[in-house]
Amino acid sequence: GDSVTQKQGQVTLSEDDFLFINCTYSTTTYPTLLWYVQYLGQGPQLLLKVTTANNKGISRGFEATYDKGTTSFHLQKASVQESDSAVYFCALVGGYQNFYFGKGTSLTVIP
Amino acid sequence: VTLLEQNPRWRLVPRGQAVNLRCILKNSQYPWMSWYQQDLQKQLQWLFTLRSPGDKEVKSLPGADYLATRVTDTELRLQVANMSQGRTLYCTCSAIPGQGHTEVFFGKGTRLTVV
Repeated sequence: GDSVTQKQGQVTLSEDDFLFINCTYSTTTYPTLLWYVQYLGQGPQLLLKVTTANNKGISRGFEATYDKGTTSFHLQKASVQESDSAVYFCALVGGYQNFYFGKGTSLTVIP
Repeated sequence: VTLLEQNPRWRLVPRGQAVNLRCILKNSQYPWMSWYQQDLQKQLQWLFTLRSPGDKEVKSLPGADYLATRVTDTELRLQVANMSQGRTLYCTCSAIPGQGHTEVFFGKGTRLTVV
């Protein structure tokens, strides 16, 4: 069945550090993979969408790609800022347009 | 632009009491409406997708029982009963597959606390 696994629960970085969050997925359909960000007190909102393997999605300094061979996709940012502190969810759009979310990675950026 | 209006934003729920939530869709381009729950550990879980007026579904999960109703093309409701642990309920909307962006839009959420 369709599923997504996000193992990193909490990440703490200093400003200007490199961010890398990884998820793995399983699906029998052609995957659409997304990254959502949830700031404190708000609902999740779409950050990036990747629909083609090895192509990059780019938004607000974040980059996302996926690797069909390893069924993994990741989110990265070269230099994080305190304002990037949030919870980041990877998500898979599977069969019947159902959305499957990872457990979330809580990012804290220390100034 | 606000796609969804969710109320209330928060509610204290006496143990054993049910609570009713309401969500209004503001943009007909995204007619598939759903409920998600987020637990205290931030884990998001899909509950229901109700596509047409009159659709109704029930579900029991650890910590709460749910009854969801698509009242009209623009209104979705959720009754939460027997809640033992706090959680946040999000109303979402999305396009019909093939007719728009593959994306789910979240409302601002209703935070429920058991007292």
